[in-house]
Amino acid sequence: GIQVEQSPPDLILQEGANSTLRCNFSDSVNNLQWFHQNPWGQLINLFYIPSGTKQNGRLSATTVATERYSLLYISSSQTTDSGVYFCAGVSGGYNKLIFGAGTRLAVHP
Amino acid sequence: EAGVAQSPRYKIIEKRQSVAFWCNPISGHATLYWYQQILGQGPKLLIQFQNNGVVDDSQLPKDRFSAERLKGVDSTLKIQPAKLEDSAVYLCASSFQENTEAFFGQGTRLTVV
Repeated sequence: GIQVEQSPPDLILQEGANSTLRCNFSDSVNNLQWFHQNPWGQLINLFYIPSGTKQNGRLSATTVATERYSLLYISSSQTTDSGVYFCAGVSGGYNKLIFGAGTRLAVHP
Repeated sequence: EAGVAQSPRYKIIEKRQSVAFWCNPISGHATLYWYQQILGQGPKLLIQFQNNGVVDDSQLPKDRFSAERLKGVDSTLKIQPAKLEDSAVYLCASSFQENTEAFFGQGTRLTVV
């Protein structure tokens, strides 16, 4: 199966700052998702983005499948953005949704 | 649309005891996943079902863990006997088909003492 690497592992921001989270894959993917895990452990779907760019409010994501990476942009961060962000992907032929280790984000007022 | 339902939310057991978790996926979703998430780590896939057949269980410790999805809808995950290192959150997810968007339940937090 694929290997999923996320960076940075930890990120501390002041409220209002922008950030970029990265997800690298060891193989090409045909399914890629970004999740936010809130302090209660719930995984919230942010984007389903096998390729291209999507935007939802202050968040946007871009996946470049041919280069095996995806980026999550958070603009004008708020304290409620704190938590862990995971990317997960499925590579062709394996059909297993594999997660990275996550990026732990703390946004301070 | 109802989401993925899991129960119980929390469970505390002693080592060597048995425990079972239940998952009801989103209606019409053929693919069902069980993940184990140890504190500070990303979720690890334990088993994946397509309808009532197993797609992958390569990471399932089969000497103590078992899972079934009778009739291709609800699923149960069992641990017998439990070890201290099984303390984790057990997450269930479902998707319409393989390679489509997956949705997660709230998880079951297991503590083995």
